[in-house]
Amino acid sequence: DIQMTQSPSSLSASVGDRVTITCRASQNIRRYLNWYQQKPGKAPKFLIYAASSLQSGVPSRFSGSGSGTDFTLTISSLQPEDFATYYCQHYYNTPPYTFGRGTRLDIK
Amino acid sequence: EVQLVESGGGLVQPGGSLRLSCAASGFIFDDYAMHWVRQAPGKGLEWVSGISWNSDNMVYADSVKGRFTISRDNVKNSLLLQMNSLRPEDTAFYYCAKDMNSGATAPSFDSWGQGSLVSVSS
Repeated sequence: DIQMTQSPSSLSASVGDRVTITCRASQNIRRYLNWYQQKPGKAPKFLIYAASSLQSGVPSRFSGSGSGTDFTLTISSLQPEDFATYYCQHYYNTPPYTFGRGTRLDIK
Repeated sequence: EVQLVESGGGLVQPGGSLRLSCAASGFIFDDYAMHWVRQAPGKGLEWVSGISWNSDNMVYADSVKGRFTISRDNVKNSLLLQMNSLRPEDTAFYYCAKDMNSGATAPSFDSWGQGSLVSVSS
């Protein structure tokens, strides 16, 4: 099975900060990588697919990059509504389609 | 607007069974694969199972294989998950999720339901 490792597990930042979250796959997954945002008590929201393609309706301050085993999610200027937990998920080849353990983004 | 509404969750004893349903609307249901993703309280996300648009391919996580069965009814626009031989570690919120694509493999979950809580305890 492909393991997905996110770092950091938690992060404190301020409104207006630039934030980067990292996701590493245990083997080459090319660009088969998604990002989701989840707020407490809510379902996840789809942000980015194919490592860097922004889902419709997602603000342009969100961006993704990477290929192979190393990927990043960047929020260019944090807004109050961005404080949440972020998950990466691979969809390469065969199941299971594992998620990372999440990165909790808190207000500093 | 895509809407996914789960139902059927509840408290069940270990070894028991439960059937989850997901009512879909706001999109052409039989154009897309559908999945179940679960989240134990306070924990991360775990993909459980997926089914292709025409039910010709079903895939499962090893943790549920042989115990859970996914199915869909493209006339009623509904997704089902039959859960047998339930274990305490199956306790979680179960989310119905729409795939961006029609096949059950290589999923991207672009819409989610609100979740249905399944608790397995004696």
